[in-house]
Amino acid sequence: EAGVTQFPSHSVIEKGQTVTLRCDPISGHDNLYWYRRVMGKEIKFLLHFVKESKQDESGMPNNRFLAERTGGTYSTLKVQPAELEDSGVYFCASSRGETGWFFGSGTRLTVV
Amino acid sequence: GENVEQHPSTLSVQEGDSAVIKCTYSDSASNYFPWYKQELGKRPQLIIDIRSNVGEKKDQRIAVTLNKTAKHFSLHITETQPEDSAVYFCAASNQGFKTIFGAGTRLFVKA
Repeated sequence: EAGVTQFPSHSVIEKGQTVTLRCDPISGHDNLYWYRRVMGKEIKFLLHFVKESKQDESGMPNNRFLAERTGGTYSTLKVQPAELEDSGVYFCASSRGETGWFFGSGTRLTVV
Repeated sequence: GENVEQHPSTLSVQEGDSAVIKCTYSDSASNYFPWYKQELGKRPQLIIDIRSNVGEKKDQRIAVTLNKTAKHFSLHITETQPEDSAVYFCAASNQGFKTIFGAGTRLFVKA
């Protein structure tokens, strides 16, 4: 089966600009998660979708981050306006339920 | 808040030796503990997991142990090989939803 795909793989934007990251989960996986790893630190949870509903968005750092999953398929994570501290690798993962998550390759975001 | 502490942050072993990575979690409701391996430039991949009703699980050269009382779980890699070199992440999860990752351990296996 196809894996979790993320686009773009890299993005370099200026402070104040907007960036939208996309994640296509494995087909049939209702659970979709966004994580972020900053400066080689731990992978931090951002939010969790079950189908199109936000199950848990307690990890979202502030209101500059907006995640959507219309139709319960792919998801987007928009950062607007981007700040320097938003730089990092953004991972998406999906799962059917409680079993291990399948990760995408990540989007490396650099805000300059 | 809940957290997962992972040690060591860096581990260097000689090929053929064993490597042990330890994690401690704080959320007593955690009941699922996966381990991920991330090779340079690649995505994190699940290598082994354990549920709270099991104390130990083994898969070839990899084993994971869980001590629920002490809230510790560990990854053991025996007969290490150069291709085991990677960053390893532990995680603690409550019903697969609230998941907290450790900071990662960079393992170097010297040939």
